[in-house]
Amino acid sequence: KQEVTQIPAALSVPEGENLVLNCSFTDSAIYNLQWFRQDPGKGLTSLLLIQSSQREQTSGRLNASLDKSSGRSTLYIAASQPGDSATYLCAVSGGYTGANSKLTFGKGITLSVRP
Amino acid sequence: DGGITQSPKYLFRKEGQNVTLSCEQNLNHDAMYWYRQDPGQGLRLIYYSQIVNDFQKGDIAEGYSVSREKKESFPLTVTSAQKNPTAFYLCASSIDWAGELFFGEGSRLTVL
Repeated sequence: KQEVTQIPAALSVPEGENLVLNCSFTDSAIYNLQWFRQDPGKGLTSLLLIQSSQREQTSGRLNASLDKSSGRSTLYIAASQPGDSATYLCAVSGGYTGANSKLTFGKGITLSVRP
Repeated sequence: DGGITQSPKYLFRKEGQNVTLSCEQNLNHDAMYWYRQDPGQGLRLIYYSQIVNDFQKGDIAEGYSVSREKKESFPLTVTSAQKNPTAFYLCASSIDWAGELFFGEGSRLTVL
């Protein structure tokens, strides 16, 4: 059974710092990996989706990398801002079919960016 | 604007009552999903539908029911058989069974 771990559960950094959020998974046979952002009391917003054949994806100040062989993904946030404060979740699709019905979510990392 | 609309945002229910949460999408997505989110836990899949008029149980379907009579709508009924219904419920959709997931804003159900 796929397990997704995000450590630490919470992180506090000063504004302007570049930071890395980690996501690890136990089964390397994945179809894709998605990173989401969740603000308190809100739904999830898709940030980046990396297919298993890709190594990284970029969107603005965000860069996500994927290393299937080591079972890890990182979300890099450049020049962090207070508006980046949120919970960041990663989700890994199961097996070779890539069905969303087999997605496994991590518990998320709650990021606080101090002004 | 295209998106997923969940209603109501907040809902209170007495024990023994059934409640229905609405989920509507105008993204023309084939697949829709219902998740439950509890503090300290990852999202758990309740039901999913890969195409209209078809749906499947997820990991925690007991005490829940759904229908998919229209492509844009996927309502979730929380029945009195659900032992711990108080939670944050999230509806999502994707263009197909493996596409990028898009979520609604969520519905918070509290059982009094």
